[in-house]
Amino acid sequence: EVQLVESGGGLVKPGSSLKLSCVASGFTFSSYGMHWIRQAPKKGLEWIALIYYDSSNKYYADSVKGRFTISRDNSKNTLYLEMNSLRSEDTAMYYCANAFTDWGQGVMVTVSS
Amino acid sequence: DIVMTQGALPNPVPSGESASITCRSSKSLVYKDGKTYLNWFLQRPGQSPQLLTYWTSTRASGVSERFSGSGSGTYFTLKISRVRAEDAGVYYCQQVREYPLTFGSGTKLEIK
Repeated sequence: EVQLVESGGGLVKPGSSLKLSCVASGFTFSSYGMHWIRQAPKKGLEWIALIYYDSSNKYYADSVKGRFTISRDNSKNTLYLEMNSLRSEDTAMYYCANAFTDWGQGVMVTVSS
Repeated sequence: DIVMTQGALPNPVPSGESASITCRSSKSLVYKDGKTYLNWFLQRPGQSPQLLTYWTSTRASGVSERFSGSGSGTYFTLKISRVRAEDAGVYYCQQVREYPLTFGSGTKLEIK
């Protein structure tokens, strides 16, 4: 059974940093591109980043480019999202997904003073 | 960026009836390989999104045949036949033709 489990969320102040993790199991993690998608409270879905299976390519939404960094450790079956210079508009549920076929349960990030 | 525009539904939809959700893209989603890169998702209340169809009309594993995607170029439709209570939620279309990937704003389906 495929499982994606996000962690690392919480309440932080504007301008601070946070690093999310997504641990994968039940599939060959090292063979798949992985995505981060977020959803602000009561809002729609926003794709924010993709990393290729071998980390050779990374793509970002304009809203996070230069502030967020996606990375992975295939030896640990883990996907990361390092978030810097956080803003109130980054407040959202953050999901990781495997080629959009499988999604984690999400982790909440709240940016507030 | 490609803008995805979704239509609304005349909610609530009576159980057993059909419902069709439209989605338009600001640019053709046909790639050079001939495939059309349009996904549909359902997000039930309190749950993570679930992939329903990809490449416009290919159903994801385990998805009911009651869900059928169609369309081409810039106009797409998701038809839900014989709607059931479990189909309630918000439906999203998404283009994966080019980066940044973009979603529609969502279409809510309520069942009567």
